[in-house]
Amino acid sequence: AAGVIQSPRHLIKEKRETATLKCYPIPRHDTVYWYQQGPGQDPQFLISFYEKMQSDKGSIPDRFSAQQFSDYHSELNMSSLELGDSALYFCASSLVAPGGPNEQYFGPGTRLTVT
Amino acid sequence: GEDVEQSLFLSVREGDSSVINCTYTDSSSTYLYWYKQEPGAGLQLLTYIFSNMDMKQDQRLTVLLNKKDKHLSLRIADTQTGDSAIYFCAERREDNFNKFYFGSGTKLNVKP
Repeated sequence: AAGVIQSPRHLIKEKRETATLKCYPIPRHDTVYWYQQGPGQDPQFLISFYEKMQSDKGSIPDRFSAQQFSDYHSELNMSSLELGDSALYFCASSLVAPGGPNEQYFGPGTRLTVT
Repeated sequence: GEDVEQSLFLSVREGDSSVINCTYTDSSSTYLYWYKQEPGAGLQLLTYIFSNMDMKQDQRLTVLLNKKDKHLSLRIADTQTGDSAIYFCAERREDNFNKFYFGSGTKLNVKP
């Protein structure tokens, strides 16, 4: 079965640079979520999109932005990178059904290292 | 995690049962989930339970939910070395179907 695809898998950037992470959800899934997971921490919700519209916003810094495109893929844009942005960034997707479990399926993650 | 708590470590012997516990504080939880994360990998959805259920069994996995005590547990029968991973519980609340609240994760170590 097709899974969530994220690219790149690894990314090394310097401070103050920009980075773009891409996420391709499971086909027919209408919602995409972005999470940040620091070393030894639980995933922290950043932002989500339902049917290409932002549906919820978590602890996403103002330096970050994201969008979902017409083909449902999503991109997380990160500017003015800081050392503290080094983390695993996960994308998850789900198919939303009212009252349903709306299981979120996670991609393998992008490991961002800021030096 | 935000109001979702788990013990950090659990060590068991191969073949034993493992029980991973999770407590949450928001009574409006609608669904609760268990995810497994192996080193350097993404989160793999193991199972979920609807809040009006007490128990759900799926092969070697048994989920127990005590809504009164806001306590969730995951029992893994006949634990194998391949079960070694970090296990996260997550809750979804009634007021926000988008946002999952994750626990801090329990690192399960299975000794041969």
